[in-house]
Amino acid sequence: GQQVMQIPQYQHVQEGEDFTTYCNSSTTLSNIQWYKQRPGGHPVFLIQLVKSGEVKKQKRLTFQFGEAKKNSSLHITATQTTDVGTYFCAGFNAGGTSYGKLTFGQGTILTVHP
Amino acid sequence: DAGVIQSPRHEVTEMGQEVTLRCKPISGHNSLFWYRQTMMRGLELLIYFNNNVPIDDSGMPEDRFSAKMPNASFSTLKIQPSEPRDSAVYFCASRQQGRAYEQYFGPGTRLTVT
Repeated sequence: GQQVMQIPQYQHVQEGEDFTTYCNSSTTLSNIQWYKQRPGGHPVFLIQLVKSGEVKKQKRLTFQFGEAKKNSSLHITATQTTDVGTYFCAGFNAGGTSYGKLTFGQGTILTVHP
Repeated sequence: DAGVIQSPRHEVTEMGQEVTLRCKPISGHNSLFWYRQTMMRGLELLIYFNNNVPIDDSGMPEDRFSAKMPNASFSTLKIQPSEPRDSAVYFCASRQQGRAYEQYFGPGTRLTVT
């Protein structure tokens, strides 16, 4: 079945440093979504990417979808303590039905030291 | 909108007891998902429904787990009998059917089986 791998599993940064998490799928994706889960909270939708090579920005966050639609990345510029949490990517298999389920990566746990 | 509602928020029970988790999806959403999250296994999809019909239950661990969706506004996940290894946070999520839509997660139920 479809697998979505995320690296790194953990990332510790000093406040102000940049952070990147990478997501790789074993199959071509039709679209990919990113979620953030604060400690003790629930996953919250951040963004969706659909087109090959798409790049979207949300303030200090930059999201990319690979040309082959099998990988994606999330980059945070100048991290802040409010960025702490687990970041998940989740993708729909391109060959799946419209009922399709999201396959979540394992997540990257980000800690930011002030 | 109140968002996805889950109850109880915390459940502590003894091994062998029956546990029922409840979920009310966002009104108008016709897809509903049950996830389990642990440190070891991450976020696992257990089962999902479209229009109250179970579509994929391949993630349900074993026969001790069962899920129902008797109507568009209510779903239950039952574990009987419960075991200590079932201890986890169980999330319910809902979305409009189709790939273009984000999933909204409930606050989760933290289950502890002693």
